[in-house]
Amino acid sequence: GQQVMQIPQYQHVQEGEDFTTYCNSSTTLSNIQWYKQRPGGHPVFLIQLVKSGEVKKQKRLTFQFGEAKKNSSLHITATQTTDVGTYFCAGTPANAGGTSYGKLTFGQGTILTVHP
Amino acid sequence: NAGVTQTPKFQVLKTGQSMTLQCAQDMNHEYMSWYRQDPGMGLRLIHYSVGAGITDQGEVPNGYNVSRSTTEDFPLRLLSAAPSQTSVYFCASSYSPGRADTQYFGPGTRLTVL
Repeated sequence: GQQVMQIPQYQHVQEGEDFTTYCNSSTTLSNIQWYKQRPGGHPVFLIQLVKSGEVKKQKRLTFQFGEAKKNSSLHITATQTTDVGTYFCAGTPANAGGTSYGKLTFGQGTILTVHP
Repeated sequence: NAGVTQTPKFQVLKTGQSMTLQCAQDMNHEYMSWYRQDPGMGLRLIHYSVGAGITDQGEVPNGYNVSRSTTEDFPLRLLSAAPSQTSVYFCASSYSPGRADTQYFGPGTRLTVL
């Protein structure tokens, strides 16, 4: 079945440093979504990418979708303590049929800690 | 709107007991799903539904049942609880089951099976 791998599993940074997490799928995706989960909280949607090579920015966050639609990345510039949490990518397979288009597969997440 | 609500927030069961985790949404969303979250494993899809009366299995369906009799509710039933089902359970919903849609997560149910 489809697998979505995310690296690194953990990242510790000093406040002000940059941070990047990478997401790789074993199959071509129709879209990639990114979520953030604060400690003790629930995942919260950040963004969705659907086009090959797409790049989107949200303030200090930059999201990219690979040309082959099998990988993605999230980059945070100049991290702040408010960025602490787990970042997940999630994707739907491109060739999903029937009700399988409802299947969203999550990566394991990257846990980000930011030291002030 | 209350969004996605889940009850209970915490639950302790003994091995072999059964229970139902409740999930409801008031956003008229077609798509609903259940995930479990374990350390280092991310979110794994248990069951999902693309509309009332339609359910399908996700990645880890064994030991769980679901039904979707209304658009609003999507309960998850544990038939005979096992310690391996100790986890945090999240329910999520989105407007359409299409590929391009935001998922809204509930606050989660923290389940311990002794």
